[in-house]
Amino acid sequence: QVKLQESGPGLVKPSETLSLTCTVSGGSISDYYWTWIRQPPGKGLEWIGFMYYSGSTNYNPSLESRVTISVDTSKNQFSLKLNSVTAADTAVYYCAGEGSGPSFDCWGQGTLVTVSS
Amino acid sequence: DIQMTQSPSSLSASVGDRVTITCRASQSISTSLNWYQQKPGKAPNLLIYAASSLPSGVPSRFSGSGSGTDFTLTISGLQYEDLATYYCQQSYTTPRTFGQGTKLGIK
Repeated sequence: QVKLQESGPGLVKPSETLSLTCTVSGGSISDYYWTWIRQPPGKGLEWIGFMYYSGSTNYNPSLESRVTISVDTSKNQFSLKLNSVTAADTAVYYCAGEGSGPSFDCWGQGTLVTVSS
Repeated sequence: DIQMTQSPSSLSASVGDRVTITCRASQSISTSLNWYQQKPGKAPNLLIYAASSLPSGVPSRFSGSGSGTDFTLTISGLQYEDLATYYCQQSYTTPRTFGQGTKLGIK
């Protein structure tokens, strides 16, 4: 059973870069499209984008100018960088794996990132 | 982007009731529709994929139907542990988009 675990700072200053890592265990990095999804407090879910281990990426146009998703196959990890953050980027960030449904078959527990000075 | 609209936004039902949640897409998405259950303070969990398929481990009281633009999630015989928010999500194209959620309470 694939398990995902997010890690990274819980507090980021405005205009700085949010950086998160997701560690994959119990499965192969080639099994899924590795995805980031976020959820502002009390609100719904927003797809940020995904990357396949081969290097292909697809980002939400609303965030594309600020987002980078990368994969480190040697560490079974993938990462999110979101630059020039504002308070509107405050959210619980989830890593997830999109399988052949296609559907988000596995999820991390989520990590709250607050943007504040 | 494809807009996903769920109804109702919230509802309350009794244990044993049959509950129906609907999801409408702004354009045809064939059967590329998934449902997720999110319990308070937890990550979402896949409930239904490809409009009507149940992943292993999901109780059979959950079912999904629909194609094109209109979809339904049905819970047959509501249980206390079904208290959650339910989201639909289209996987027809990118960006992937979700409905706004339906919050289900237990009377």
